[in-house]
Amino acid sequence: DAKTTQPPSMDCAEGRAANLPCNHSTISGNEYVYWYRQIHSQGPQYIIHGLKNNETNEMASLIITEDRKSSTLILPHATLRDTAVYYCIVSSGGSNYKLTFGKGTLLTVNP
Amino acid sequence: SAVISQKPSRDICQRGTSLTIQCQVDSQVTMMFWYRQQPGQSLTLIATANQGSEATYESGFVIDKFPISRPNLTFSTLTVSNMSPEDSSIYLCSVAGGSPETQYFGPGTRLLVL
Repeated sequence: DAKTTQPPSMDCAEGRAANLPCNHSTISGNEYVYWYRQIHSQGPQYIIHGLKNNETNEMASLIITEDRKSSTLILPHATLRDTAVYYCIVSSGGSNYKLTFGKGTLLTVNP
Repeated sequence: SAVISQKPSRDICQRGTSLTIQCQVDSQVTMMFWYRQQPGQSLTLIATANQGSEATYESGFVIDKFPISRPNLTFSTLTVSNMSPEDSSIYLCSVAGGSPETQYFGPGTRLLVL
């Protein structure tokens, strides 16, 4: 699976949009971009995934560049409860797929 | 998404003993995974457990230390054997579903070995 690079930490003001970047320059054509988050000491929570088109659900939006070498997770109106470690993971999503977690980005939402 | 529960939620154990962690899912799933998260670290996959076959272990993890059972499509156990303080971690199970496969995680078991 392709390796991802994320900033170790970011801050965001409550009510503002949080934009979390991820680089995955070695992504292959059949690999998806997955985003998970882990609120302190809880199990990781699935957020969203995408292949090449931008995606939106009730939690977030995922913007993938045309060359697919990077992506951005957008939390449109961050709340204090969004403070967590966010993981960007690239995986094939096939029957033998695995998730390889990097260090992620610690997003701190400030009041 | 599946609802996943784990037992126990936390435990404190003495070195040299073993602990069995249970993972229960509210629906039938083919693939289940066990992860370890050491203090301050990210998640590391221990093994993949498919019903009806032997678990597949990742590099650095062996069956004698982390035996896994998968008796049916809704349940799995992970045993941490002959524990040492270095085994103090959060142990998490996850299940895969959907297309493409997406993993959903349980709440974790917090283990402290003294």
